[in-house]
Amino acid sequence: RKEVEQDPGPFNVPEGATVAFNCTYSNSASQSFFWYRQDCRKEPKLLMSVYSSGNEDGRFTAQLNRASQYISLLIRDSKLSDSATYLCVVNNQAGTALIFGKGTTLSVSS
Amino acid sequence: DGGITQSPKYLFRKEGQNVTLSCEQNLNHDAMYWYRQDPGQGLRLIYYSQIVNDFQKGDIAEGYSVSREKKESFPLTVTSAQKNPTAFYLCASEGTGTDTQYFGPGTRLTVL
Repeated sequence: RKEVEQDPGPFNVPEGATVAFNCTYSNSASQSFFWYRQDCRKEPKLLMSVYSSGNEDGRFTAQLNRASQYISLLIRDSKLSDSATYLCVVNNQAGTALIFGKGTTLSVSS
Repeated sequence: DGGITQSPKYLFRKEGQNVTLSCEQNLNHDAMYWYRQDPGQGLRLIYYSQIVNDFQKGDIAEGYSVSREKKESFPLTVTSAQKNPTAFYLCASEGTGTDTQYFGPGTRLTVL
């Protein structure tokens, strides 16, 4: 099993749609979880951390299920500007480094 | 402005040449990281440093070298021993007590 797995997509949705991305991770000892956003040919930027209780930031909601080792990101009311690749990230067992998924590509169209 | 800078943005190298990529941060972060990203792939860790004068190999360190003489700086040298050096190189830093990493704009290295 890969350390962090994501559906690569692409997810093609119209403006205003709700879209959900899923991610699974293999290391049950991971303690830190994040979603990063990466625009084409740019650096990744932190979108949000993911907490055990789930957390929301505007149109974005992140959920963590430790028992299933599963992380999700929900985007409501999609905007054209949401088009990007979304990277699921967890820390390694030693807590010394982050492990990045390959990303899920989202394309929002008008 | 606080942040992480990488230079150059684009770099071309002939086969057999070593090249050094610059990474500087003024965020007062202790930890710094170098990643490589290939098209359609995730980020892979090359080297990281959690404190000045100390660094550790990541998953793909072969053909690369680093130094950490100053807190602000973490240069990466791509040596001629690296078989497929053409890639997008990203530097990141992380504050003490957090796992949140912040990235520089990256350097695109092309070997001709």
